[in-house]
Amino acid sequence: GESVGLHLPTLSVQEGDNSIINCAYSNSASDYFIWYKQESGKGPQFIIDIRSNMDKRQGQRVTVLLNKTVKHLSLQIAATQPGDSAVYFCAENSGGSNYKLTFGKGTLLTVNP
Amino acid sequence: DVKVTQSSRYLVKRTGEKVFLECVQDMDHENMFWYRQDPGLGLRLIYFSYDVKMKEKGDIPEGYSVSREKKERFSLILESASTNQTSMYLCASSRDTNEQFFGPGTRLTVL
Repeated sequence: GESVGLHLPTLSVQEGDNSIINCAYSNSASDYFIWYKQESGKGPQFIIDIRSNMDKRQGQRVTVLLNKTVKHLSLQIAATQPGDSAVYFCAENSGGSNYKLTFGKGTLLTVNP
Repeated sequence: DVKVTQSSRYLVKRTGEKVFLECVQDMDHENMFWYRQDPGLGLRLIYFSYDVKMKEKGDIPEGYSVSREKKERFSLILESASTNQTSMYLCASSRDTNEQFFGPGTRLTVL
């Protein structure tokens, strides 16, 4: 999960396993959440998003779960591949009309062949 | 596809220099953002703009200014660069949705 400080949380999985990356968000008024993937040397890329009126959303090989009761978000990656190795960020929009996102610190996913 | 480009991938400047980082997006997005990214600290918002000539401070605006004279271009300015501004700088843009599209980043080193 996310944490403060200089050390990035890490998750190491075997190729073919399922991965679960967790994120705790801070603002109970947030109504939109998004997961980004950032590969080394590149900018973050959109993976999947979810609105607060949903608790689950599925994409291709990815599922996002939202638990508003405990302010928790998770990203599940099925059949993890070496190309999934990256830093994953969750972000929340705290409402309002300015479309600002607040990002988590990120989790480094390493997929072992 | 949305494209966000940044003027430089790598930049080396000296303390006290004035530094301009340029960002251009080609999808007519209203909103543009500048972040810095440091190890273990994630992305922190410096400034954002929701329209031409409009700007708002983000979470860490000190030591930075911005300019948005045209809709497609958002510039980040370091008036007098300092070593603690060594970082990865990321530009992003969005329309009236929350999804932000990011550029490749500029790695700035201030000596």
